[in-house]
Amino acid sequence: DVQLVESGGGLVKPGGSLRLSCAASGFSFTNAWMSWVRQAPGKGLEWVARFKGKSDGGTTDYAAPVEGRFTISRDDSRNTLYLQMNSLKVEDTAVYYCTPHAILSGIQRNYFNYWGQGTLVTVSP
Amino acid sequence: DIVMTQSPDSLAVSLGERATINCKSSQSILYNSNNQDYLAWYQQQPGQPPKLLIYWASARESGVPDRFSGSGSGTDFTLTISSLQAEDVAVYYCQQYYSTPPTFGGGTKVEIK
Repeated sequence: DVQLVESGGGLVKPGGSLRLSCAASGFSFTNAWMSWVRQAPGKGLEWVARFKGKSDGGTTDYAAPVEGRFTISRDDSRNTLYLQMNSLKVEDTAVYYCTPHAILSGIQRNYFNYWGQGTLVTVSP
Repeated sequence: DIVMTQSPDSLAVSLGERATINCKSSQSILYNSNNQDYLAWYQQQPGQPPKLLIYWASARESGVPDRFSGSGSGTDFTLTISSLQAEDVAVYYCQQYYSTPPTFGGGTKVEIK
């Protein structure tokens, strides 16, 4: 079974930093595209960042609101995805979900069929 | 970025009745080379992460009850729950995966009348 366990959330002041981790199991992690998606309290879903798998070049993409402040990375030897969040703002407060991209007919797609329980990041003075 | 707009924001439906949720994209998400609409639907029950229901606008994910169906093409899409059950109380989101960044609709809250 696919399992995704996010950790590293907590309370941080504006301008601070936090590093989230996501331990993945139950699927082939090395070539999986992985994303972080967040959800502010009582709000909708927002894609944050993507890391393509090794076989697709291992490139990264970011949503405009986090570009230059957040860095997505991965350790394929540990099946773990990370999100380094710097210069945090109040509006970054959210539950952060780690999710692999769905694979259909051998092609990675930009939708998500497995989700972890998420980790809460609260940015407050 | 492609903007996804859902309507209504919320709806209350009696048990056993039909619920219909609409989703509109700011540009066509139909990919001509494979004639597929790059649209997914998710269900998020209270306190839970999202759950994939539908992809390719109308393909039901494995294990999803057949009372859930998706339709539409191009820019206009619909999620229908044919006979609402108590466990269907949730917020439903559409998402386009035609282009990066993938973007979600604002959500539709479904409640029991």
